[in-house]
Parts: sequence; C-alpha cells; structure tokens
Amino acid sequence: EAGVTQFPSHSVIEKGQTVTLRCDPISGHDNLYWYRRVMGKEIKFLLHFVKESKQDESGMPNNRFLAERTGGTYSTLKVQPAELEDSGVYFCASSLSGQGFRTGELFFGEGSRLTVL
Amino acid sequence: GESVGLHLPTLSVQEGDNSIINCAYSNSASDYFIWYKQESGKGPQFIIDIRSNMDKRQGQRVTVLLNKTVKHLSLQIAATQPGDSAVYFCAENTDFNKFYFGSGTKLNVKP
Repeated sequence: EAGVTQFPSHSVIEKGQTVTLRCDPISGHDNLYWYRRVMGKEIKFLLHFVKESKQDESGMPNNRFLAERTGGTYSTLKVQPAELEDSGVYFCASSLSGQGFRTGELFFGEGSRLTVL
Repeated sequence: GESVGLHLPTLSVQEGDNSIINCAYSNSASDYFIWYKQESGKGPQFIIDIRSNMDKRQGQRVTVLLNKTVKHLSLQIAATQPGDSAVYFCAENTDFNKFYFGSGTKLNVKP
C-alpha cells in the first residue's frame, strides 16, 4: 500500500514567486493535515481537512497561504507570494476517521522542503 | 542518558546504553500522546502511543511513561543502537483529530 506522497521534495524559489505543494494521502484516509517545520523548530499545525472540507485552518500563517482538497482526495498548498520566512519543510499527514472517537496514528509524507531566496 | 525537553535539545548516548527523552506537554486536557521519530530527509514515523488512562506502555525496546500530574511524557529506548539516531517528537492530541508537536530532541548514538 502506498504511503503519503508529497511533491516536490525540494523547491527553491525567489521571494515574490508562487509555489504549489501537493500531497496525496493514503487511499481511504478522510483526514489530511498540513504541518510545517521551520529552521529546526517544532512541527507546527497549519490546517486539517476532513474529506474536502476544511475542519480547522487556525494554523495558517496568513492569506498568502491557500490550501485546497479537491474531491476529498489529494491536497495542494499554495504560497503566493512567497516570503523569506516561508522557508521550511512542509509535511502532509493523513489518518483514518474515527466513528465518534479520536483518530489514531498520523501517517506522514517525507515532506516538501521550500527554500525562498 | 537523559534529556529535559526544550532545555537540552540534543542527547548523546553510547551504543548499548539506555536513552530517555523527555517532553513537557502544555494542555491538561490532552488525552492521547504519540512519539514520532524523524530521520534526516524523511517524514516523522510513529513509534508508540499512549492514552491518558494509562501511565505506561511498552513496545519493542521502547517504553512510554505518562505523568499527567506534571504533564510530562518520556520515551525510554533500551540498548540504543546507531539506527536510533534521529530527532524525536512528542505529539499531544486535545481537540478532535488535531495534534500539537513539541520542538523535538535530537538523539546521537555514538558507536
């Protein structure tokens, strides 16, 4: 079974440009999360989809970040325009939905490293 | 060897010794915790989890201890091996399906 896959693995762009990161969750996983790790700091929550709906986007830094999950399958995270402080590793994770109880394990992708120059 | 959360982000141990990685979590309402291991260039991988109705859970060479009174979580690795070298994160679950991660502790295993 394929795990969570992310593309690209590394992107180098200039300040002001646009980048779109893609995440393909494990098939059948309704929950999809985006996290970010900046400069070796903690892994910070960005947002959470349940199927195609945004369940929680309280971690999104500002309106330069836009996440979508078309049809409840793969998700994209667009940064436009990118700033220097957006550099970091963006992780996607997915998990099964619980039936009225909290989900268990998050399965992570290998991350997309973004470098903004 | 033993680390204390954010105050000692790097832990160096000799191969074969036991390692203890500590984590202080923030929300007393958190009731589910996971330890993740992240190797260089890879995403975090699940190691072991524990729910708040337990204070100890054992896996293969790993043990997680939970002290809800002081909001403290620890990961014990027995007979540490070079392959255990990685950054270890604790994650707490409070809200439905939402996890918060600590900053991580880097474990260096010396041969």
